[in-house]
Amino acid sequence: DAGITQSPRYKITETGRQVTLMCHQTWSHSYMFWYRQDLGHGLRLIYYSAAADITDKGEVPDGYVVSRSKTENFPLTLESATRSQTSVYFCASSEGARQPQHFGDGTRLSIL
Amino acid sequence: SQQGEEDPQALSIQEGENATMNCSYKTSINNLQWYRQNSGRGLVHLILIRSNEREKHSGRLRVTLDTSKKSSSLLITASRAADTASYFCATDALTGGGNKLTFGTGTQLKVEL
Repeated sequence: DAGITQSPRYKITETGRQVTLMCHQTWSHSYMFWYRQDLGHGLRLIYYSAAADITDKGEVPDGYVVSRSKTENFPLTLESATRSQTSVYFCASSEGARQPQHFGDGTRLSIL
Repeated sequence: SQQGEEDPQALSIQEGENATMNCSYKTSINNLQWYRQNSGRGLVHLILIRSNEREKHSGRLRVTLDTSKKSSSLLITASRAADTASYFCATDALTGGGNKLTFGTGTQLKVEL
């Protein structure tokens, strides 16, 4: 089925560990996005990508790394997790920069 | 800082009533979008209104845009329990915003039977 899938759905890890959140879309959308959602802050953009091998910082990029070697995949890595990165992470894709975005169901990440 | 701010933060109504949510933003925009988020799920796109449009309809949804006031409203008519969700506006800035949307903090709508 076409769509956008995130894995894992839930993750618990410890401070200082590296963790990678996966995102896969089957529409061949050019644009992909990573957001974090926290109470009181809404959705904040971490990184986005306009195409394979093109990525750019969003509002809150510190502590995160992304890559996009293939159009359909856009993994997000926390190189050394901190408690402040406990959040719900959403991946999204769209045909164009200002077009409607399609969201995955999120990864709930807890850092102890 | 958030480009869009929704008002009210929370809204509770009875089934069958209309629900109105407002969004204010700060800078000139290309378009404004509304999204719905059910508990534990990702956001779902509802409607997009361009800066040169004043009103748009989709089923029970009516969106208005007033660029002079930098505000938009989302009206859900004849609400149903299934409309219970959080609703977000998202804007893309005309200049300086880059190729991305900025989301507000959302309105939590509860529709009671």
